[in-house]
Amino acid sequence: QKEVEQNSGPLSVPEGAIASLNCTYSDRGSQSFFWYRQYSGKSPELIMSIYSNGDKEDGRFTAQLNKASQYVSLLIRDSQPSDSATYLCAVNTPMHSGYALNFGKGTSLLVTP
Amino acid sequence: IAGITQAPTSQILAAGRRMTLRCTQDMRHNAMYWYRQDLGLGLRLIHYSNTAGTTGKGEVPDGYSVSRANTDDFPLTLASAVPSQTSVYFCASSPGGASTEAFFGQGTRLTVV
Repeated sequence: QKEVEQNSGPLSVPEGAIASLNCTYSDRGSQSFFWYRQYSGKSPELIMSIYSNGDKEDGRFTAQLNKASQYVSLLIRDSQPSDSATYLCAVNTPMHSGYALNFGKGTSLLVTP
Repeated sequence: IAGITQAPTSQILAAGRRMTLRCTQDMRHNAMYWYRQDLGLGLRLIHYSNTAGTTGKGEVPDGYSVSRANTDDFPLTLASAVPSQTSVYFCASSPGGASTEAFFGQGTRLTVV
């Protein structure tokens, strides 16, 4: 089983600060990477996808990918209490037929007012 | 509203009983997935289907079966439920392929007693 690793947290940041969430993966052949946000009792919601080395920005979110280091991160600028959730890193993994997302266990983020 | 619908939203089931969790999507996605989510273990893939008529085993398939008779429906069956199958079950779908993200249903909370 290919591994996707995340620190479980909780990561606590003050409101307005930058939250930095990290993820490493073991399959060097992985091509597609995703960040999902999951509020307690809810289903995962896609917030970012990244496929190429470098940064990808979308509003307050920036995803960073370094395939050589097998590392993907998510930065949340101007963190808000509403950002408090569990963030799941996912890597698209080839299966016997097709692909499926392999998830890390998630990092819990708490943004304090 | 387009999306993925799971039923039931929650269920208490006696051990040894048979149960089918339903999943329907109206996005015409080729690929569908079943995950279970347990505290401390994250999201784990049970079964997947790359296209109608085909299915494959994920990380934790034992005790579960699936079928994919058409594009829209992907039911998950527990033939004889055991307490270790107590979990939150998420159905997801994606257009398919190496670079496509998955979208999740609202989940089914199953308790086996």
